[in-house]
Amino acid sequence: GQNIDQPTEMTATEGAIVQINCTYQTSGFNGLFWYQQHAGEAPTFLSYNVLDGLEEKGRFSSFLSRSKGYSYLLLKELQMKDSASYLCAVRDSDYKLSFGAGTTVTVRA
Amino acid sequence: IAGITQAPTSQILAAGRRMTLRCTQDMRHNAMYWYRQDLGLGLRLIHYSNTAGTTGKGEVPDGYSVSRANTDDFPLTLASAVPSQTSVYFCASSVTSGRGTDTQYFGPGTRLTVL
Repeated sequence: GQNIDQPTEMTATEGAIVQINCTYQTSGFNGLFWYQQHAGEAPTFLSYNVLDGLEEKGRFSSFLSRSKGYSYLLLKELQMKDSASYLCAVRDSDYKLSFGAGTTVTVRA
Repeated sequence: IAGITQAPTSQILAAGRRMTLRCTQDMRHNAMYWYRQDLGLGLRLIHYSNTAGTTGKGEVPDGYSVSRANTDDFPLTLASAVPSQTSVYFCASSVTSGRGTDTQYFGPGTRLTVL
């Protein structure tokens, strides 16, 4: 199984940068995903890492270190619409996802 | 293209009643999944299906059953609902090609309350 930890809440100011950390223990690693979920809505895909290093996608970047069981999601130039929950998920060799409890990010004006 | 649809959007159900949550996808994805999401616990996998005609148990399968008669539909049935099954239920689907990201895409969810 998987054990996935991420902070419960983070608060940041509009225009700032926030880094959401995720640590995991896995019995078979086949990729790490970040999803964004606005209140009352479905999770939507943000990023995917399967090799070590940084993946950049506009204002969002995600980093992975497989040896450390560690990932982070970096949100730059924060906007009010980025207020949401961010879910870290690890995929196993059977293609099943295990999710962390999510990090609620609140962006203040 | 609708993607993934779920029905109903929300439901209040008396304990002991039988309930089927519906999920349909039009993306021809081979794999489909059912999750429940509870505050503080995140998304937990209930059942999954890697291809039509096959199903498997996830992390929290007790009290739930699924079937996968065709590629598009993956209904979730609660045979006799209990209050602990009050949750938001998400259906998801993906390809499992092993050649790309094979991202899971989620439906809009069903909010179920069991009284």
